[in-house]
Amino acid sequence: DTEVTQTPKHLVMGMTNKKSLKCEQHMGHRAMYWYKQKAKKPPELMFVYSYEKLSINESVPSRFSPECPNSSLLNLHLHALQPEDSALYLCASSQRGQNLPWGYTFGSGTRLTVV
Amino acid sequence: DAKTTQPPSMDCAEGRAANLPCNHSTISGNEYVYWYRQIHSQGPQYIIHGLKNNETNEMASLIITEDRKSSTLILPHATLRDTAVYYCIVRPLPNFGNEKLTFGTGTRLTIIP
Repeated sequence: DTEVTQTPKHLVMGMTNKKSLKCEQHMGHRAMYWYKQKAKKPPELMFVYSYEKLSINESVPSRFSPECPNSSLLNLHLHALQPEDSALYLCASSQRGQNLPWGYTFGSGTRLTVV
Repeated sequence: DAKTTQPPSMDCAEGRAANLPCNHSTISGNEYVYWYRQIHSQGPQYIIHGLKNNETNEMASLIITEDRKSSTLILPHATLRDTAVYYCIVRPLPNFGNEKLTFGTGTRLTIIP
């Protein structure tokens, strides 16, 4: 299995809703990432988990709450989002501790619309 | 990580070689050149990487200048499915606390039938 799987593919939520995005990989990668991508812009890093511990938080608002319950799963919990949070949310994973500089694999993303 | 500069857009005729340039004049000795591409509404896809030597794989070739201040990604026989945004990224090997992969604005390549 050489894929990163993200669910759901599309999500519409109200500003008072609570929802979660899910990301899963079975490549044995020990670093996992959340990126946010607005239309016609490059992906922007939000969070990095390394060995299931949060190692980088790029000053993301607290209405986005990441969770890494085990080495294969990464969640992004969403609460009280704003319409400007509408974007494509990408998950990625990479090998760590090995001399392999190309090991970033991305999922296809969740297209989130906040109404 | 070193900053990269890429043209915002390029066109290439189908079947011809697409040559995408990237400037990275502040690259450090331990930094690799990565290329990724992103087809519309999909996640970025790894293409190729290199340190100082030219590299080739089944997708593309990477030519790095001797002073390592610039590189060119070559798609030898472009097809319509190669229409995408291509990102050139310069960074060292990932290790603990340094796993960030930061994207620049990239080059939007359009393959013309």
